[in-house]
Amino acid sequence: DPKIIQKPKYLVAVTGSEKILICEQYLGHNAMYWYRQSAKKPLEFMFSYSYQKLMDNQTASSRFQPQSSKKNHLDLQITALKPDDSATYFCASSQDWEQYFGPGTRLTVL
Amino acid sequence: GDSVTQTEGPVTVSESESLIINCTYSATSIAYPNLFWYVRYPGEGLQLLLKVITAGQKGSSRGFEATYNKETTSFHLQKASVQESDSAVYYCALGSTGNTGKLIFGLGTTLQVQP
Repeated sequence: DPKIIQKPKYLVAVTGSEKILICEQYLGHNAMYWYRQSAKKPLEFMFSYSYQKLMDNQTASSRFQPQSSKKNHLDLQITALKPDDSATYFCASSQDWEQYFGPGTRLTVL
Repeated sequence: GDSVTQTEGPVTVSESESLIINCTYSATSIAYPNLFWYVRYPGEGLQLLLKVITAGQKGSSRGFEATYNKETTSFHLQKASVQESDSAVYYCALGSTGNTGKLIFGLGTTLQVQP
C-alpha cells in the first residue's frame, strides 16, 4: 500500500486559475515537506512543516500556500497559476533525517 | 549558497563494469551537512539509497558506496560491478541536521546499464 499519497497524479490548468495539490502520509511522521522539480532543474525545496506548523519557507511567491488540516495532511494551494509553475510537485515526510517521497503530481499550466 | 553538482548524464555502462557518479557540494549555510544518495527506478518514486552524516565515513547499500570527503567536498557514488537492474536516476543531496531540514538536490544522473 502506498505510504504517501499524492492526488491527482496529473493536472492541467489554465493560466490565472487556482489548484490544490493533495498530500497524505500514512507513515506516522511529524514533519512534511513540499518540493518542486521543473524541467531540467533539480528538485527544489519549497516548505517544511513540523506538527502542522510552518518551519521553513523557501518559496518567494505568496501564491503558494501550504494547508495542513490534519497532522498527516499537507496540501498545496497555488493561486493565479502561471506557465512557469509547470512542474512535478513532490510531497515528502520524515520522522528524523530520512525523508520519504510521494510519487508526485505533474502540473501543466497552459 | 548551498548547492550540489553531479555528473551530467546519461551515463551508459555495460553490465559487470564499474561505475562512478561524481558529486561535489557547497555547504555555506550548513555547519554540519548530511549527505545522501537518492534513486528513482523506472516507474517508481524517489527513495533513499544511502546516507552519511559524519565526514570521513562511508555509506553503503545494494553494492553502492559513497565516502563523505570534507576536504574535497565530495560524495562520489561507486559500484564495482553494475547490473541491468541498477538502471535508474541517481540524485546526490545535501541536508542539514534535524528532522525539518530541507534537502538540496543535484540535477540527477541517469544511469543506463546495457546487458
